[in-house]
Amino acid sequence: DTEVTQTPKHLVMGMTNKKSLKCEQHMGHRAMYWYKQKAKKPPELMFVYSYEKLSINESVPSRFSPECPNSSLLNLHLHALQPEDSALYLCASSQKFEETQYFGPGTRLLVL
Amino acid sequence: GESVGLHLPTLSVQEGDNSIINCAYSNSASDYFIWYKQESGKGPQFIIDIRSNMDKRQGQRVTVLLNKTVKHLSLQIAATQPGDSAVYFCAFFRGGNQFYFGTGTSLTVIP
Repeated sequence: DTEVTQTPKHLVMGMTNKKSLKCEQHMGHRAMYWYKQKAKKPPELMFVYSYEKLSINESVPSRFSPECPNSSLLNLHLHALQPEDSALYLCASSQKFEETQYFGPGTRLLVL
Repeated sequence: GESVGLHLPTLSVQEGDNSIINCAYSNSASDYFIWYKQESGKGPQFIIDIRSNMDKRQGQRVTVLLNKTVKHLSLQIAATQPGDSAVYFCAFFRGGNQFYFGTGTSLTVIP
């Protein structure tokens, strides 16, 4: 299994909603990542988990809250988002940090 | 500052021709480079990588060249096919916790 899966594929939420994005991998990778990607732009790193511990937070607003329940799962909890947070949210994993990252298909988020 | 730039934001090639996508980086401490392909509506897909102790690496129809003297990375795609149409990103690690994506080149293959 060389796949990173993400759910849901699409999400529409209001600014007062709370929702969560989920990511799963069964490759035994110990590093997992969240990225945000706007149209026609490269992915921007948000968070890195290494061995289930948060190792990088790229100054992301607190309305985004990551969670790594175990080595295979990564969540991104969303609360009180703004319309400018609308984007494609990508999850990735790698054997360890500084190894090749493998990406999921992303969740396309629209905040109204 | 750090920059990972691409010389051409868009590239159009005829089907069957070879494609060359370029990427420049500014920090000589960079030691691991990756090329990704991103098709519309999908996540980036790993194509090929190269470490700083190498100058060239070949895969299936793709070759990555690294010129550390001028801090330049290129991706060559042989016999380009319509399925190669996508945005291509270079990315690199610079030790520690630093990982960067380039701005991307949009490749269009003309049948």
